[in-house]
Amino acid sequence: GDSVTQKEGLVTLTEGLPVMLNCTYQTIYSNAFLFWYVHYLNESPRLLLKSSTDNKRTEHQGFHATLHKSSSSFHLQKSSAQLSDSALYYCALSDRWGSSGNKLIFGIGTLLSVKP
Amino acid sequence: EAAVTQSPRNKVAVTGGKVTLSCNQTNNHNNMYWYRQDTGHGLRLIHYSYGAGSTEKGDIPDGYKASRPSQENFSLILELATPSQTSVYFCASGDAEGGNSDYTFGSGTRLLVI
Repeated sequence: GDSVTQKEGLVTLTEGLPVMLNCTYQTIYSNAFLFWYVHYLNESPRLLLKSSTDNKRTEHQGFHATLHKSSSSFHLQKSSAQLSDSALYYCALSDRWGSSGNKLIFGIGTLLSVKP
Repeated sequence: EAAVTQSPRNKVAVTGGKVTLSCNQTNNHNNMYWYRQDTGHGLRLIHYSYGAGSTEKGDIPDGYKASRPSQENFSLILELATPSQTSVYFCASGDAEGGNSDYTFGSGTRLLVI
């Protein structure tokens, strides 16, 4: 079945360094939708960015990701980490059940900890 | 503002007791979901619904039931709570646009079963 892999459970960075959180996926659908959700402590998880277009860079709030279908990857990047970026980041894949909607399959999440 | 509201925010239950977690959405979304969040497992789907009166099993439905009496409300029921069900539970809603549907999450319910 469909699946999402986030290999790093914890990423610790010094403020100002670049961020890269890895995400790979498996799906039978050729037009897969991939998502990044961010979950700050004591808040609700919320959508950070999404894409279904191969090799197109998607950006939001300083973060960006490019869906590469050839390698089944959707890595999240940011040029310079900020203390406020510390949060749990989930990569997710849309698992469609038809025109009535879809289910999101989430990876295990990567906890990003940014230190001064 | 459209929102997903969960209640209670925190719950302590005894083993063998019945627990009901409630979720209300004002997004007018057809689809609603219940996930649990555990370290090392991420968000795992328990039950979901694509409209009033419908409930479907997710990936980890054992020990849980769900009820969708209306478009707005979706409940998760633990008939006989066990300590392994101690977790943080999130409700979400999403619109029905095939694969391109992103979720609005509630604030979560922290459940402790003792």
